[in-house]
Amino acid sequence: GAVVSQHPSWVICKSGTSVKIECRSLDFQATTMFWYRQFPKQSLMLMATSNEGSKATYEQGVEKDKFLINHASLTLSTLTVTSAHPEDSSFYICSETRFQETQYFGPGTRLLVL
Amino acid sequence: QKEVEQNSGPLSVPEGAIASLNCTYSDRGSQSFFWYRQYSGKSPELIMFIYSNGDKEDGRFTAQLNKASQYVSLLIRDSQPSDSATYLCAVKGANSKLTFGKGITLSVRP
Repeated sequence: GAVVSQHPSWVICKSGTSVKIECRSLDFQATTMFWYRQFPKQSLMLMATSNEGSKATYEQGVEKDKFLINHASLTLSTLTVTSAHPEDSSFYICSETRFQETQYFGPGTRLLVL
Repeated sequence: QKEVEQNSGPLSVPEGAIASLNCTYSDRGSQSFFWYRQYSGKSPELIMFIYSNGDKEDGRFTAQLNKASQYVSLLIRDSQPSDSATYLCAVKGANSKLTFGKGITLSVRP
């Protein structure tokens, strides 16, 4: 069964608005979660590592002020895309690590910015 | 820069055949290796992981790892149309982060 859930599964928004995506760990206390982005026909690119109770660690080239990550509890990490623009349209996927450091992915959130 | 390379594909095999998917990686410090399957429009799902040199079998899937050659592969025996998907090779380095290959699309012909 699923170990990670995401909400919403898809979202359409106007340019300039902010969008929040939730990632929930089911039946597990995830101190670390990961956020990825995938553009069409491309592979997954790690955006940031979300750490419970501390600041997220962002990958090079990812704007931390644009992609706000909050990991306030052991089961919930959120990604907020601030002032979204059409180029932010993508498939956003979170993951958590359990069982010998294997990452399990959520179902993903498809974002379309008009 | 750490890189993970996969055959460009796409790969097409007839139903019942063996599909062989290959992956090479550049970071000799890589510790563990994963194969994920991704259906169109869906997120990746884990198929197998392997840490040690040699073969690891799970049902119709066999992962092979050769650290000296920096090579990992996935064999799918008795391929089924439901195996048609994009297969992603992922490598975990010492920093515990996953680096993904671009993926290879497999098509199994009925």
